[in-house]
Amino acid sequence: TQLLKQSPQFLSIQEGENLTVYCNSSSVFSSLQWYRQEPGEGPVLLVTVVTGGEVKKLKRLTFQFGDARKDSSLHITAAQPGDTGLYLCAGAPTLNQGGKLIFGQGTELSVKP
Amino acid sequence: DTEVTQTPKHLVMGMTNKKSLKCEQHMGHRAMYWYKQKAKKPPELMFVYSYEKLSINESVPSRFSPECPNSSLLNLHLHALQPEDSALYLCASSQDAQGVFQPQHFGDGTRLSIL
Repeated sequence: TQLLKQSPQFLSIQEGENLTVYCNSSSVFSSLQWYRQEPGEGPVLLVTVVTGGEVKKLKRLTFQFGDARKDSSLHITAAQPGDTGLYLCAGAPTLNQGGKLIFGQGTELSVKP
Repeated sequence: DTEVTQTPKHLVMGMTNKKSLKCEQHMGHRAMYWYKQKAKKPPELMFVYSYEKLSINESVPSRFSPECPNSSLLNLHLHALQPEDSALYLCASSQDAQGVFQPQHFGDGTRLSIL
C-alpha cells in the first residue's frame, strides 16, 4: 500500500514568515498534485509536478518534486493571511489505478496578521 | 469559480429520508469521482466513473448509490443514512481515469448533516 506522510500537520505563523510543508513516501509516484482548501470550499489544484527534480513556482509558492519522485515540498515565502487553509499533497501511483490518488494527511496552515 | 458544480451546498436530512446530491461539469472530462471528507482530513475516495461506467467502488455501504446519467452529470443517491455519514461530499472530474494520470478538479462540495 502506498502512503504519503505529510508534515507538519498544523502550522501557525505570523504574516511575513516563511514555511515549508513536506510530503514523503517510500514509493515512487508518476506525478504529485498540491491542493489548497479553504473552509466551505473544495480543494483547489495549485500545481502538478511530474518530472524528478522539477521545481515550479506560483508567485510566492515554490513546489519541488524529489529526484526519485518519492517526495515533494511546498515552500511559501513571506506568508500572508490569505494563504491560510488546508494544504493537501496527492500522489498518482506509477501504475494508474483507475484515477486513484494517494493523499497526505494534510497541513492546516494559519497565518496571523 | 469552480468548474465542477455541486448542488445543494448544504443538506440536512433525517435517517429515514431519501435525497440526492448532484454534480455537473462541462469540461469534457470522462472520469468523475465521489469523495467523502471529514473536517481537517483528506478526502476519501468512494466511487469512480470512467466513460459513464462505474469503475471503482471503495466498499461503500449500499445506502450510498451513485449514478452517472451522462458524461457531464454525476448523482449520489442517499437513503437511510447514519449520523456518522455527516461530512462534506466532494465531486471531482478529470480528463479520464486511464493511461497517463490526469489531475482532478474538485467542486465545492455538499455539506451533509444527518439528524
